[in-house]
Amino acid sequence: AQSVTQLGSHVSVSEGALVLLRCNYSSSVPPYLFWYVQYPNQGLQLLLKYTTGATLVKGINGFEAEFKKSETSFHLTKPSAHMSDAAEYFCAVRLSGGSNYKLTFGKGTLLTVNP
Amino acid sequence: DGGITQSPKYLFRKEGQNVTLSCEQNLNHDAMYWYRQDPGQGLRLIYYSQIVNDFQKGDIAEGYSVSREKKESFPLTVTSAQKNPTAFYLCASSPAASSGNTIYFGEGSWLTVV
Repeated sequence: AQSVTQLGSHVSVSEGALVLLRCNYSSSVPPYLFWYVQYPNQGLQLLLKYTTGATLVKGINGFEAEFKKSETSFHLTKPSAHMSDAAEYFCAVRLSGGSNYKLTFGKGTLLTVNP
Repeated sequence: DGGITQSPKYLFRKEGQNVTLSCEQNLNHDAMYWYRQDPGQGLRLIYYSQIVNDFQKGDIAEGYSVSREKKESFPLTVTSAQKNPTAFYLCASSPAASSGNTIYFGEGSWLTVV
């Protein structure tokens, strides 16, 4: 079984400030981890994912995330926020291997960027 | 353009009626999914299909039905048995039923019961 907890349903930052969105997971086997972004009234777009290999993963729009097994975390960061980053962000986990296709999502974090 | 097309974007239904949401993909993906999104609850899996003519229940399948007669199509029917159907519905697909593959999403459909 797997689960995801996103700490903070709403995060507000100033333009140019660091963005940090927190995600912790629970998984019975090594996980595959994903971050998606959703703009209002639209579907989800993949930002980045971790499957195997390097634990620091770079994604689109300047975002990156680091898989920390010891902390069961996969926090999303961006050095400098832009107004266009305002959206809702979802962390998701999937069990590796076998035939488990279920992608389990966190409840989302709404990012607000202030001018 | 390749992608996932959901229709209609907005749909209103009277209580007691069934309604079908369309999902078509031209990405040649094997697996397809339906998720439901409610404010503050993230996305919850309704049904998924790994291959044609096969599908499995997700976490909240009660009151919903699906079919997978063609690889590119995975329609979702919201039946009158669904107690609280007003929500945003997202269709998705992935290249193959492998857990490392990315799941791609359509633009979603809003269903409102009036």
